[in-house]
Amino acid sequence: DQQVKQNSPSLSVQEGRISILNCDYTNSMFDYFLWYKKYPAEGPTFLISISSIKDKNEDGRFTVFLNKSAKHLSLHIVPSQPGDSAVYFCAASALGAGKSTFGDGTTLTVKP
Amino acid sequence: EAGVAQSPRYKIIEKRQSVAFWCNPISGHATLYWYQQILGQGPKLLIQFQNNGVVDDSQLPKDRFSAERLKGVDSTLKIQPAKLEDSAVYLCASSLEESGSWANVLTFGAGSRLTVL
Repeated sequence: DQQVKQNSPSLSVQEGRISILNCDYTNSMFDYFLWYKKYPAEGPTFLISISSIKDKNEDGRFTVFLNKSAKHLSLHIVPSQPGDSAVYFCAASALGAGKSTFGDGTTLTVKP
Repeated sequence: EAGVAQSPRYKIIEKRQSVAFWCNPISGHATLYWYQQILGQGPKLLIQFQNNGVVDDSQLPKDRFSAERLKGVDSTLKIQPAKLEDSAVYLCASSLEESGSWANVLTFGAGSRLTVL
């Protein structure tokens, strides 16, 4: 029973265009959501997060949108850059619980 | 600040052998996690420590896996005996404190890649 799902294993976009990565969750207890980015041979690094009291959080080129009724969140990267090529993991947790449940990741390739 | 340190980075063993991984979290981070990441999957929690106490080890295969956090700082994860399906990257992560939103942000080490032959 996978509680956090990233249904697209891979995504390829052209440099300068928008990248949209999607994530769905099933556990209604989740109230804090995070995106991590992972380069090969490195551990995941925190990118951006959102709590359930918001529906949008923006940090530079990165914006996360949360649709609680649909149990869906998305990460928008605009404009996309070749350095954004990495695996992106969606994660969910109960606020303050510490531990996160991760999706299986989406490999983003940004072509020059 | 120094990141989360893990060693060894790579380990190859035969099935039924034992292996141990070490983690040194960020100084001052009270909570430490071990995650297992199998190729093509996301990280899955094995165990969570708060200082030197276990918060959650419900997903740890206790017949072969063990973990401890000495004096609430360093941690060791051991597998004995190893099985083929244990081949994975073992990620250690730490976070600042148990409560509050920032507790959910994990800082990961580079991981220890285990291959069981």
